[in-house]
Amino acid sequence: GAVVSQHPSWVICKSGTSVKIECRSLDFQATTMFWYRQFPKQSLMLMATSNEGSKATYEQGVEKDKFLINHASLTLSTLTVTSAHPEDSSFYICSAGRGYNQPQHFGDGTRLSIL
Amino acid sequence: AQTVTQSQPEMSVQEAETVTLSCTYDTSESDYYLFWYKQPPSRQMILVIRQEAYKQQNATENRFSVNFQKAAKSFSLKISDSQLGDAAMYFCAYKRPRDDKIIFGKGTRLHILP
Repeated sequence: GAVVSQHPSWVICKSGTSVKIECRSLDFQATTMFWYRQFPKQSLMLMATSNEGSKATYEQGVEKDKFLINHASLTLSTLTVTSAHPEDSSFYICSAGRGYNQPQHFGDGTRLSIL
Repeated sequence: AQTVTQSQPEMSVQEAETVTLSCTYDTSESDYYLFWYKQPPSRQMILVIRQEAYKQQNATENRFSVNFQKAAKSFSLKISDSQLGDAAMYFCAYKRPRDDKIIFGKGTRLHILP
C-alpha cells in the first residue's frame, strides 16, 4: 500500500537552532501534503497545507516565518522550524493525499524536543 | 466552519465485548468523507474505516463498522469482539471536498480490560 515516510522520527536540539523535517510519499505522487502538530493527549492540529510548486497555506495562528514549508516536488515536502525554542517542542505529523476520493496517508511523526 | 465532536474522552470495554464510539459533526456541505483513525501509543495514525457521504450503506471492515446517520450528522464506530490490540486513541475525522483538509475530533481513548 501507499507509504509516507517522515524523517527524522526524533530530534533533540538546542534552543535557537533550526530543524528540518522531511515528508516523502514513497510510491505515489502527492497532490497536497499537510502538516499537523499534536500536543500530548490532544488531537491533531492542522498547521498548513503544502502544494507542489506553490506557497503553503497556513492556518490561522500559525507563524509562517517560524514554520517554513517547502514542497519542491510531488513526493517531498519539508517543514523547517526556525530558531526553535522550548515551546516549539511537540509531535509533528505529515500526511499526503492523492485527491479528494483517496484517503490521506500519514507519516509516523517526528518528536521534536528543544532544550 | 465544519466541526467534529467526540463527546466521550475515555471509554473502557471488556475484552471480546462490543463498544461504540460516538461522533457528531457539523457541515453545510452535501458531499464529504468521514473517517475513523486509530492512534496507538506509537502515535502512528492508522485508518480504521471510511464512509462516503453519498453512500447510504454503512461501511464495514472486519470487526469495525459504522452507523452513519447523515441527516443527524452522526458517525459512530462499533468495534465488535474487542481485542487488547484495539486499545488506542480513536479520532473521528471529516474531510472537506474543496481542499482535502481533514478536521479531527478531540479523540476518545479506548481501554480494553482483560
